[in-house]
Amino acid sequence: DTEVTQTPKHLVMGMTNKKSLKCEQHMGHRAMYWYKQKAKKPPELMFVYSYEKLSINESVPSRFSPECPNSSLLNLHLHALQPEDSALYLCASSQVGTGARGNTIYFGEGSWLTVV
Amino acid sequence: GENVEQHPSTLSVQEGDSAVIKCTYSDSASNYFPWYKQELGKRPQLIIDIRSNVGEKKDQRIAVTLNKTAKHFSLHITETQPEDSAVYFCAASKGTDSWGKLQFGAGTQVVVTP
Repeated sequence: DTEVTQTPKHLVMGMTNKKSLKCEQHMGHRAMYWYKQKAKKPPELMFVYSYEKLSINESVPSRFSPECPNSSLLNLHLHALQPEDSALYLCASSQVGTGARGNTIYFGEGSWLTVV
Repeated sequence: GENVEQHPSTLSVQEGDSAVIKCTYSDSASNYFPWYKQELGKRPQLIIDIRSNVGEKKDQRIAVTLNKTAKHFSLHITETQPEDSAVYFCAASKGTDSWGKLQFGAGTQVVVTP
């Protein structure tokens, strides 16, 4: 099962709202990611969690707050967003390991976020 | 850091013809190169990947080649079909990381016309 599930699929929020995006995987992967994707652009890495600890924060504004409650779940808490934050937010997961074998990254379906 | 360049940005092919997309990377330590296909409104889906200890890999109508010396890799799609129409992204990552931090190319919009 190579499934990463994300909820909600669509979200419209005002600039003063607080909302959360949720992601779940049951592949036993210990690395989980949040990517942001604007139309006609490649995904941009936001955060990486490895063994439930934040390993990479790609200088993301503090209005985005990630959380990894356990090895299967990843949340992205949203607060005081701007219209330019409207995008597709992709969760992904992979194994953790080193060496030449590389780590295949599996993406969820994404959450379409519109900030009004 | 790693920089991945992808060409062309758009590619129109007749059904049945072949399509080739090329990517170059800058970091010689990169050793994992996946290709993702993204249909409109859908997630990026891994279609094929190659690791640096292999020069070529094939899966039915799709093949990827890697030239480590020149630091470039290519996606080849033969006998294209309308359902191959999508945006294709190449990516690179270093196996020295304990996770796969992918650096994506800008993407290629492939349009297959019947």
